[in-house]
Amino acid sequence: GENVEQHPSTLSVQEGDSAVIKCTYSDSASNYFPWYKQELGKRPQLIIDIRSNVGEKKDQRIAVTLNKTAKHFSLHITETQPEDSAVYFCAASRVQAAGNKLTFGGGTRVLVKP
Amino acid sequence: DSGVTQTPKHLITATGQRVTLRCSPRSGDLSVYWYQQSLDQGLQFLIQYYNGEERAKGNILERFSAQQFPDLHSELNLSSLELGDSALYFCASSVGGQQDEQYFGPGTRLTVT
Repeated sequence: GENVEQHPSTLSVQEGDSAVIKCTYSDSASNYFPWYKQELGKRPQLIIDIRSNVGEKKDQRIAVTLNKTAKHFSLHITETQPEDSAVYFCAASRVQAAGNKLTFGGGTRVLVKP
Repeated sequence: DSGVTQTPKHLITATGQRVTLRCSPRSGDLSVYWYQQSLDQGLQFLIQYYNGEERAKGNILERFSAQQFPDLHSELNLSSLELGDSALYFCASSVGGQQDEQYFGPGTRLTVT
Protein backbone atom coordinates (compact mmCIF):
# COMPACT_ATOMS: atom_id res chain seq x y z
CA GLY A 1 0.00 0.00 0.00
CA GLU A 2 0.85 3.68 -0.07
CA ASN A 3 3.34 5.10 2.40
CA VAL A 4 3.80 8.84 2.98
CA GLU A 5 6.79 10.30 4.79
CA GLN A 6 6.67 13.90 6.01
CA HIS A 7 9.52 16.16 7.16
CA PRO A 8 10.28 17.93 9.35
CA SER A 9 8.18 16.82 12.30
CA THR A 10 8.51 20.25 13.91
CA LEU A 11 9.29 23.63 12.40
CA SER A 12 9.83 26.91 14.17
CA VAL A 13 9.96 30.09 12.08
CA GLN A 14 10.01 33.81 12.75
CA GLU A 15 6.91 35.73 11.75
CA GLY A 16 7.30 36.93 8.17
CA ASP A 17 9.67 34.14 7.17
CA SER A 18 8.79 31.23 4.88
CA ALA A 19 8.03 27.66 5.91
CA VAL A 20 8.54 24.58 3.76
CA ILE A 21 7.24 21.09 4.49
CA LYS A 22 8.20 18.12 2.34
CA CYS A 23 6.49 14.79 1.72
CA THR A 24 7.43 11.72 -0.25
CA TYR A 25 5.10 8.95 -1.36
CA SER A 26 5.68 5.41 -2.48
CA ASP A 27 2.83 4.53 -4.86
CA SER A 28 3.55 5.91 -8.32
CA ALA A 29 -0.16 5.52 -9.15
CA SER A 30 -1.15 8.16 -6.57
CA ASN A 31 -2.72 11.12 -8.32
CA TYR A 32 -4.18 13.39 -5.64
CA PHE A 33 -2.21 15.21 -2.94
CA PRO A 34 -4.08 17.37 -0.42
CA TRP A 35 -2.70 19.33 2.52
CA TYR A 36 -4.59 19.76 5.76
CA LYS A 37 -4.11 22.18 8.63
CA GLN A 38 -5.18 21.05 12.09
CA GLU A 39 -5.34 23.37 15.07
CA LEU A 40 -5.34 21.90 18.55
CA GLY A 41 -8.54 19.96 19.21
CA LYS A 42 -10.04 20.93 15.86
CA ARG A 43 -10.81 19.13 12.63
CA PRO A 44 -8.26 18.78 9.80
CA GLN A 45 -9.01 21.62 7.40
CA LEU A 46 -8.24 21.28 3.69
CA ILE A 47 -6.02 24.22 2.71
CA ILE A 48 -4.78 23.29 -0.74
CA ASP A 49 -4.49 20.27 -3.00
CA ILE A 50 -2.76 19.32 -6.21
CA ARG A 51 -3.45 16.68 -8.79
CA SER A 52 -0.92 14.70 -10.76
CA ASN A 53 -1.47 16.60 -14.00
CA VAL A 54 -0.21 19.84 -12.43
CA GLY A 55 3.26 20.70 -11.18
CA GLU A 56 2.46 23.70 -9.01
CA LYS A 57 -0.54 25.41 -7.48
CA LYS A 58 -0.75 28.62 -5.51
CA ASP A 59 -3.40 30.19 -3.30
CA GLN A 60 -2.38 33.52 -1.76
CA ARG A 61 0.43 32.80 0.72
CA ILE A 62 0.45 29.03 0.26
CA ALA A 63 1.73 27.00 -2.65
CA VAL A 64 2.25 23.34 -3.35
CA THR A 65 4.68 21.77 -5.79
CA LEU A 66 4.66 18.21 -7.10
CA ASN A 67 7.51 16.21 -8.61
CA LYS A 68 6.00 12.98 -9.94
CA THR A 69 9.33 11.59 -11.09
CA ALA A 70 10.86 11.88 -7.65
CA LYS A 71 7.53 11.13 -5.94
CA HIS A 72 7.62 14.09 -3.64
CA PHE A 73 5.53 17.18 -3.02
CA SER A 74 6.00 20.23 -0.84
CA LEU A 75 3.98 22.90 0.92
CA HIS A 76 5.33 26.44 0.94
CA ILE A 77 3.94 29.12 3.24
CA THR A 78 5.26 32.63 2.67
CA GLU A 79 5.08 35.65 5.00
CA THR A 80 4.10 33.44 7.92
CA GLN A 81 1.79 34.81 10.59
CA PRO A 82 1.10 33.61 14.15
CA GLU A 83 -2.25 32.18 13.00
CA ASP A 84 -0.34 29.81 10.71
CA SER A 85 0.79 27.95 13.85
CA ALA A 86 -0.79 24.48 13.66
CA VAL A 87 -0.06 20.90 12.65
CA TYR A 88 0.07 20.38 8.89
CA PHE A 89 -0.57 17.00 7.27
CA CYS A 90 0.16 15.95 3.74
CA ALA A 91 -1.72 13.06 2.18
CA ALA A 92 -1.69 11.00 -0.99
CA SER A 93 -4.41 9.08 -2.74
CA ARG A 94 -5.01 7.02 -5.85
CA VAL A 95 -8.43 8.29 -6.76
CA GLN A 96 -10.50 5.74 -8.58
CA ALA A 97 -14.10 4.71 -8.87
CA ALA A 98 -13.61 2.16 -6.13
CA GLY A 99 -12.66 4.75 -3.55
CA ASN A 100 -10.43 7.62 -2.49
CA LYS A 101 -8.75 6.71 0.76
CA LEU A 102 -6.17 9.20 1.97
CA THR A 103 -2.84 8.05 3.35
CA PHE A 104 -1.46 10.74 5.64
CA GLY A 105 2.04 11.74 6.54
CA GLY A 106 2.99 11.94 10.19
CA GLY A 107 2.38 15.69 10.44
CA THR A 108 4.52 18.80 10.94
CA ARG A 109 4.02 21.01 13.97
CA VAL A 110 4.63 24.59 12.82
CA LEU A 111 5.26 27.34 15.35
CA VAL A 112 5.39 30.91 14.11
CA LYS A 113 7.13 33.15 16.62
CA PRO A 114 6.02 36.79 16.74
CA ASP B 1 -17.60 24.90 9.59
CA SER B 2 -17.23 22.16 6.95
CA GLY B 3 -20.90 21.15 6.94
CA VAL B 4 -20.07 17.64 8.20
CA THR B 5 -21.56 16.90 11.61
CA GLN B 6 -20.60 14.24 14.11
CA THR B 7 -22.14 13.12 17.37
CA PRO B 8 -21.34 12.79 20.15
CA LYS B 9 -18.39 15.18 20.65
CA HIS B 10 -17.05 13.22 23.58
CA LEU B 11 -17.58 9.67 24.73
CA ILE B 12 -16.19 8.02 27.84
CA THR B 13 -16.77 4.33 28.28
CA ALA B 14 -15.25 1.26 29.86
CA THR B 15 -13.27 -1.58 28.36
CA GLY B 16 -15.40 -4.29 26.81
CA GLN B 17 -18.25 -1.93 25.97
CA ARG B 18 -19.74 -1.05 22.58
CA VAL B 19 -20.31 2.45 21.21
CA THR B 20 -21.79 3.98 18.07
CA LEU B 21 -20.47 7.14 16.45
CA ARG B 22 -22.64 9.04 14.03
CA CYS B 23 -21.81 11.21 11.03
CA SER B 24 -23.92 13.31 8.69
CA PRO B 25 -22.18 14.34 5.47
CA ARG B 26 -22.39 17.72 3.75
CA SER B 27 -25.52 18.26 1.76
CA GLY B 28 -25.08 16.64 -1.64
CA ASP B 29 -22.09 14.49 -0.68
CA LEU B 30 -22.45 10.78 -1.36
CA SER B 31 -19.16 9.51 0.06
CA VAL B 32 -18.38 9.14 3.74
CA TYR B 33 -14.97 8.23 5.14
CA TRP B 34 -13.95 7.30 8.68
CA TYR B 35 -10.49 8.06 10.08
CA GLN B 36 -8.89 7.37 13.45
CA GLN B 37 -6.39 9.80 14.93
CA SER B 38 -4.25 8.66 17.82
CA LEU B 39 -1.01 10.06 19.19
CA ASP B 40 1.12 7.12 18.15
CA GLN B 41 -0.59 6.16 14.86
CA GLY B 42 -1.43 9.54 13.39
CA LEU B 43 -4.39 9.82 11.00
CA GLN B 44 -5.41 6.38 9.75
CA PHE B 45 -8.07 5.59 7.17
CA LEU B 46 -10.64 3.08 8.38
CA ILE B 47 -13.39 2.70 5.78
CA GLN B 48 -15.30 4.47 2.99
CA TYR B 49 -18.91 4.26 1.88
CA TYR B 50 -20.37 5.63 -1.31
CA ASN B 51 -24.13 5.94 -1.64
CA GLY B 52 -24.74 3.13 0.83
CA GLU B 53 -22.08 0.72 -0.42
CA GLU B 54 -18.68 -0.03 1.06
CA ARG B 55 -16.02 1.22 -1.39
CA ALA B 56 -12.65 1.04 0.34
CA LYS B 57 -11.29 -0.46 3.51
CA GLY B 58 -8.20 0.35 5.51
CA ASN B 59 -6.74 -1.38 8.54
CA ILE B 60 -10.08 -1.49 10.31
CA LEU B 61 -10.26 -3.95 13.18
CA GLU B 62 -12.78 -6.78 13.03
CA ARG B 63 -14.29 -5.35 16.23
CA PHE B 64 -15.21 -2.23 14.24
CA SER B 65 -17.96 -2.00 11.67
CA ALA B 66 -19.71 0.76 9.79
CA GLN B 67 -22.65 1.37 7.54
CA GLN B 68 -24.20 4.15 5.49
CA PHE B 69 -27.95 4.55 5.56
CA PRO B 70 -30.35 5.57 2.76
CA ASP B 71 -30.36 9.16 4.04
CA LEU B 72 -26.53 9.01 3.62
CA HIS B 73 -25.64 9.40 7.28
CA SER B 74 -23.13 6.88 8.54
CA GLU B 75 -22.46 5.10 11.79
CA LEU B 76 -19.24 3.58 13.06
CA ASN B 77 -19.70 0.82 15.61
CA LEU B 78 -16.84 -0.04 17.95
CA SER B 79 -17.23 -3.12 20.12
CA SER B 80 -15.25 -4.99 22.79
CA LEU B 81 -13.44 -1.73 23.40
CA GLU B 82 -9.85 -1.74 24.56
CA LEU B 83 -7.75 1.03 26.12
CA GLY B 84 -5.89 1.37 22.82
CA ASP B 85 -9.08 2.34 21.02
CA SER B 86 -9.01 5.71 22.77
CA ALA B 87 -8.61 8.23 19.96
CA LEU B 88 -10.25 10.95 17.93
CA TYR B 89 -12.55 9.52 15.28
CA PHE B 90 -13.18 11.74 12.30
CA CYS B 91 -15.71 11.43 9.58
CA ALA B 92 -15.14 13.12 6.24
CA SER B 93 -17.37 13.49 3.24
CA SER B 94 -16.99 14.23 -0.44
CA VAL B 95 -19.17 14.48 -3.49
CA GLY B 96 -18.00 11.08 -4.69
CA GLY B 97 -16.53 9.75 -7.86
CA GLN B 98 -13.02 10.63 -8.88
CA GLN B 99 -10.72 13.44 -7.83
CA ASP B 100 -12.78 15.07 -5.16
CA GLU B 101 -11.91 16.85 -1.93
CA GLN B 102 -12.67 15.43 1.49
CA TYR B 103 -14.05 17.69 4.23
CA PHE B 104 -13.75 16.62 7.83
CA GLY B 105 -16.26 16.77 10.64
CA PRO B 106 -15.36 18.00 14.15
CA GLY B 107 -14.62 14.49 15.38
CA THR B 108 -15.66 12.34 18.32
CA ARG B 109 -13.16 11.97 21.13
CA LEU B 110 -13.43 8.46 22.55
CA THR B 111 -11.88 7.68 25.90
CA VAL B 112 -11.86 4.06 27.04
CA THR B 113 -11.15 3.60 30.75
